[in-house]
Amino acid sequence: SQKIEQNSEALNIQEGKTATLTCNYTNYSPAYLQWYRQDPGRGPVFLLLIRENEKEKRKERLKVTFDTTLKQSLFHITASQPADSATYLCALFSGGYNKLIFGAGTRLAVHP
Amino acid sequence: NAGVMQNPRHLVRRRGQEARLRCSPMKGHSHVYWYRQLPEEGLKFMVYLQKENIIDESGMPKERFSAEFPKEGPSILRIQQVVRGDSAAYFCASSPPTSLTDTQYFGPGTRLTVL
Repeated sequence: SQKIEQNSEALNIQEGKTATLTCNYTNYSPAYLQWYRQDPGRGPVFLLLIRENEKEKRKERLKVTFDTTLKQSLFHITASQPADSATYLCALFSGGYNKLIFGAGTRLAVHP
Repeated sequence: NAGVMQNPRHLVRRRGQEARLRCSPMKGHSHVYWYRQLPEEGLKFMVYLQKENIIDESGMPKERFSAEFPKEGPSILRIQQVVRGDSAAYFCASSPPTSLTDTQYFGPGTRLTVL
């Protein structure tokens, strides 16, 4: 069955460093991959979408890569700040683009 | 442009009662999705609706759960005879009426607690 895996352990980094989060998927060939941010008690907020024919996408301090051979996406936050502390979710479309399959998320903590 | 609105934000029910969760999509959006998030788990798709139509309910439990999106008014997720295992955060998302939807916009969620 289709599965999305993200690092289950929290990622702790020092302010100013680059955070790198991993998303691996199996039994699936997605045309799109998305990253969301979720804060405690809130709904997910869309961050970036990357298409299968795009190797890399950037938005301000965020960078996403998409390797369809490895079936992996990497999500980078450069010059991280304590305000970046949140859970980051990887998601793929399934079944004709009408539903998202989410990974369990990776919790990022940026320490001053 | 107001975002996706959900109410109530918190709902407490006793076992056997009914829970009704409401979702008003963003203005101009005609596609609504419901997801459930159990503690320490990822979001799981439940149902996808367009106005007056259920398009995909493959993630909905077969019993006690139903959803609708009427011509007028919000989308409703209804859970009959709630059990403790229904305690979760329920999120609604919406997207515009394009053939290929890239992004879904999520509401703040309704946290259901079943006593």
